[in-house]
Amino acid sequence: DIQMTQSPSSLSASVGDRVTITCRASQGIRNDLGWYQQRPGETPKRLIYAASSLQSGVPSRFSGSGSGTEFTLTISSLQPEDFATYYCLQHNTYPHTFGQGTKLEIK
Amino acid sequence: QVQLVQSGAEVKNPGSSVKVSCKASGDSFTSYIFTWVRQAPGQGLEWMGRIIPSLGTVNYAQKFQGRVTITADKSTTSRTAYMELTSLRSEDTAMYYCETDWGNFNFWGQGTLVTVSS
Repeated sequence: DIQMTQSPSSLSASVGDRVTITCRASQGIRNDLGWYQQRPGETPKRLIYAASSLQSGVPSRFSGSGSGTEFTLTISSLQPEDFATYYCLQHNTYPHTFGQGTKLEIK
Repeated sequence: QVQLVQSGAEVKNPGSSVKVSCKASGDSFTSYIFTWVRQAPGQGLEWMGRIIPSLGTVNYAQKFQGRVTITADKSTTSRTAYMELTSLRSEDTAMYYCETDWGNFNFWGQGTLVTVSS
């Protein structure tokens, strides 16, 4: 199975900060990666697909980059509603696999 | 737009089985691909398996192999999927989600809470 290693596992930041979350794949997955946001008590929501394409309706402060084995999710200026847990998911090879999640908390 | 509606919460005894359904509404001409994901309380997302009814293919995570069966209705445009998990144990207590893509959009069911307890 492809292992997805997400870092950091938790992150404390302030409104207005720029934050970056990283996902590393144990083998190359081209750009077959999505980023998901999950607020407490809610279902996950995909923010980014194909590593860098912004899902329709998602604010432009979210961006994704990377290819192969290294991927990043960047939030350019944190807003109060962005404090949530973020997951990456590779869909290059079965079984698809999630990263372990990054919990973004208010400093 | 697609809406995924899952069956209701279940409470099961250890050793029993559960079958959760997921019905897609929206585009009646699309044969949907269904993926099942679970999330134990306070834990991360866990990919369980995916069915592509139009191809007749199903793939499972190794962790669940032998205990999980994902199926879909046999109509021309499969719009309902099922996930059955057998030999339930307390560690299977979780929220179970189905999800699908439609074009570049991604949709999730509301989740089905399965509680395994004696």
